[in-house]
Amino acid sequence: AQSVAQPEDQVNVAEGNPLTVKCTYSVSGNPYLFWYVQYPNRGLQFLLKYITGDNLVKGSYGFEAEFNKSQTSFHLKKPSALVSDSALYFCAVRDGRSGNTGKLIFGQGTTLQVKP
Amino acid sequence: EADIYQTPRYLVIGTGKKITLECSQTMGHDKMYWYQQDPGMELHLIHYSYGVNSTEKGDLSSESTVSRIRTEHFPLTLESARPSHTSQYLCASSEYGPEYNEQFFGPGTRLTVL
Repeated sequence: AQSVAQPEDQVNVAEGNPLTVKCTYSVSGNPYLFWYVQYPNRGLQFLLKYITGDNLVKGSYGFEAEFNKSQTSFHLKKPSALVSDSALYFCAVRDGRSGNTGKLIFGQGTTLQVKP
Repeated sequence: EADIYQTPRYLVIGTGKKITLECSQTMGHDKMYWYQQDPGMELHLIHYSYGVNSTEKGDLSSESTVSRIRTEHFPLTLESARPSHTSQYLCASSEYGPEYNEQFFGPGTRLTVL
């Protein structure tokens, strides 16, 4: 079955500390993986994606993600969190059953709370 | 400036009304999508389109319908709104090409049906 799991509903971290938002996936075919961020009353903004190659992917706003094929994970990380990073984060994987439609399967989202 | 727009941003209507949620993009993208999202929850695909005159239903069953007469325009219509349709509706688009092209999202329409 195609699925994405974000095991934590909420992650709390102090400003300046490193953060990790977890994501695991199950998909047939090549795992094209994405991270999006959603601020209140806004649409989703693309942060980064993994296609192939280097397991560490760098994206917008200082975020990066580490692809681990053996653990089927794609955790989002940032070395030093900012209060302005507080938002809802979604992990997504291309639906391997969908051919070239570009359809995505989204995780349930993780709320990141960065406290000053 | 290339972007994706949704109107209205907020809509409160009574049961039984017909509504159309507008989505337009100026990026020339062929693929467009409609998602339904309850507040703070995951997104569910309800419709998508490969291009003009192409529409498909998504994974989540929806009573809404869509049309794609122009590349830049992908409106969603509810013929008779019900309280169960209360949700946020997000429109997205992506370039035709590799299946790993990212999707760009509009700001969403928050619909409340009384």
